[in-house]
Amino acid sequence: QEKVQQSPESLIVPEGAMSSLNCTFSNSASQSIWWYQQHPGKGPEALISIFSNGNKKEGRLTVYLNRASLHVSLHIRDSQPSDSAVYLCAVSKGSNYQLIWGSGTKLIIKP
Amino acid sequence: DPKIIQKPKYLVAVTGSEKILICEQYLGHNAMYWYRQSAKKPLEFMFSYSYQKLMDNQTASSRFQPQSSKKNHLDLQITALKPDDSATYFCASSQDWGPNTGQLYFGEGSKLTVL
Repeated sequence: QEKVQQSPESLIVPEGAMSSLNCTFSNSASQSIWWYQQHPGKGPEALISIFSNGNKKEGRLTVYLNRASLHVSLHIRDSQPSDSAVYLCAVSKGSNYQLIWGSGTKLIIKP
Repeated sequence: DPKIIQKPKYLVAVTGSEKILICEQYLGHNAMYWYRQSAKKPLEFMFSYSYQKLMDNQTASSRFQPQSSKKNHLDLQITALKPDDSATYFCASSQDWGPNTGQLYFGEGSKLTVL
């Protein structure tokens, strides 16, 4: 059974600083890894995905994937109060292409 | 404008009753899904549909029945409600189902409370 663990559970970051979120998964054969953002009372919204080892950058977001260590991280440069949300890591698995989700990291950006 | 409409946004039900959660998507997608999010638990996959055909069911209980009357419409009927069913139910869609599913688009959820 694929497991997705996120850390930390919550994170407070000053405005303008870098936010770093972590996610570990249990199956190196997992397909794509996704990061979603969820604001209170809203559905998750996809931010960025990665499939290959290495890093991927989109705007203020950078994601790093290391399949050997089963670890993926999301870094948000120049964090803004509007970035305050729960960030969910999701890993696609198996022949039925389900997404397996972590419990999330609650990010608070302090002005 | 929301592209995935879920109704109702909030609902309260009594134990043993039945409710239907409505979902319509206007993204032109071919695949639709139901997920459940309970307090302190990860999002939990329930069902996936592709072109109105059930592709995967990870819900152990037959009390949960998806219903697809049109390609862009996927309702969720829940019978014999229990307090443990209290959760926010999210409808989602993607362009296609399969290895190139791509990102999921979520509705705003229907928050169900069972008393």
